[in-house]
Amino acid sequence: SQTIHQWPATLVQPVGSPLSLECTVEGTSNPNLYWYRQAAGRGLQLLFYSVGIGQISSEVPQNLSASRPQDRQFILSSKKLLLSDSGFYLCAWSVLRNSEQYFGPGTRLTVT
Amino acid sequence: AQKITQTQPGMFVQEKEAVTLDCTYDTSDQSYGLFWYKQPSSGEMIFLIYQGSYDEQNATEGRYSLNFQKARKSANLVISASQLGDSAMYFCAMREGSNTGNQFYFGTGTSLTVIP
Repeated sequence: SQTIHQWPATLVQPVGSPLSLECTVEGTSNPNLYWYRQAAGRGLQLLFYSVGIGQISSEVPQNLSASRPQDRQFILSSKKLLLSDSGFYLCAWSVLRNSEQYFGPGTRLTVT
Repeated sequence: AQKITQTQPGMFVQEKEAVTLDCTYDTSDQSYGLFWYKQPSSGEMIFLIYQGSYDEQNATEGRYSLNFQKARKSANLVISASQLGDSAMYFCAMREGSNTGNQFYFGTGTSLTVIP
């Protein structure tokens, strides 16, 4: 069966520090991968998606970036965190572009 | 305009009763998909049910059913025989059929509390 992992589970970082969140999927090949951010008490905002290795599309311009160095690995990064980057970050995968997405456990980021 | 609208920020239901969570959507595409997700306090998003725009029958998955009214552009989630474990945030989402982009649109969610 397929599983999706995210780490770390929680993170507290000072403003201006770098960020690296990792997401890996097991049990499937060539998944579509997604990064979402959820601000407190709000819905999900799609940040990035990837249909293959090295293929990244950004939905919202910001100081975050994403990379997909391997088929089942998706990384969310920042060179300098802002206070507004605080939130709950969710990684998801899907088999097809328009099929249901399955989410990882999430990373709760607090920028201080 | 909002792609997905969930007008109920919070709902309460008595244990063992049925509850309907509202969702309306906005799209000009003929082909689209509608999804419901559950988010317990732990934060993970759990896929519940899917309805395709061309599906003539309402989707059902166990105690979950989707009341799909295409002309009204509504996709309400019905949970039958509520359980305490159903207390969570519920998000309605839509995937448009356009070949450009890869956007899933999520609503702002409804917080459901099941009362014993």
